[in-house]
Amino acid sequence: EAGVAQSPRYKIIEKRQSVAFWCNPISGHATLYWYQQILGQGPKLLIQFQNNGVVDDSQLPKDRFSAERLKGVDSTLKIQPAKLEDSAVYLCASSLVRGRDANYGYTFGSGTRLTVV
Amino acid sequence: AQKITQTQPGMFVQEKEAVTLDCTYDTSDQSYGLFWYKQPSSGEMIFLIYQGSYDEQNATEGRYSLNFQKARKSANLVISASQLGDSAMYFCAMRGGGFKTIFGAGTRLFVKA
Repeated sequence: EAGVAQSPRYKIIEKRQSVAFWCNPISGHATLYWYQQILGQGPKLLIQFQNNGVVDDSQLPKDRFSAERLKGVDSTLKIQPAKLEDSAVYLCASSLVRGRDANYGYTFGSGTRLTVV
Repeated sequence: AQKITQTQPGMFVQEKEAVTLDCTYDTSDQSYGLFWYKQPSSGEMIFLIYQGSYDEQNATEGRYSLNFQKARKSANLVISASQLGDSAMYFCAMRGGGFKTIFGAGTRLFVKA
């Protein structure tokens, strides 16, 4: 089966600019996650979708970050305006129905490496 | 609050030897899952192994095994017969009742030829 697709692979922007990332999960995976991984740290959950509804966005900086998942499939994560501390890898992951098959790990995409200068 | 602790920033192991990567966790949930992921230099996170909190037997997946000690709240990963391709970052993770997965800071493993 095809994996989780993310684009772009790399992005360099100036601070205060805006940027958007795209994620296409594995077909049939109802749950989608966006993680932020700062260099030298473990991934931190930003937002979790179940189909097209938000399950958890408690760690999403909502003053500058937004995310949507239209029709319960593709998702976009946007940052506006970007700050220097947003430099990180943004990982998208998907999994089967929430709760069911809970013993399987997530499938991650290759990530988008964002550099804010 | 849930927490994952990985105290080894870096580990070295000789090729073909076994290595143990440490992980301790803290949670008030009765039911939870513990995971290990591998992140090579390419950046993609690869799921390795899972252990449920009610599983009585330690999980094994090929050369990977999870040494689960519930009373000590530890979930160490054992890699047997290390290979050069095992050089990567390894993350311990936990999923609690809310189905949110949190990750530790990771351990970088270096396999020497």
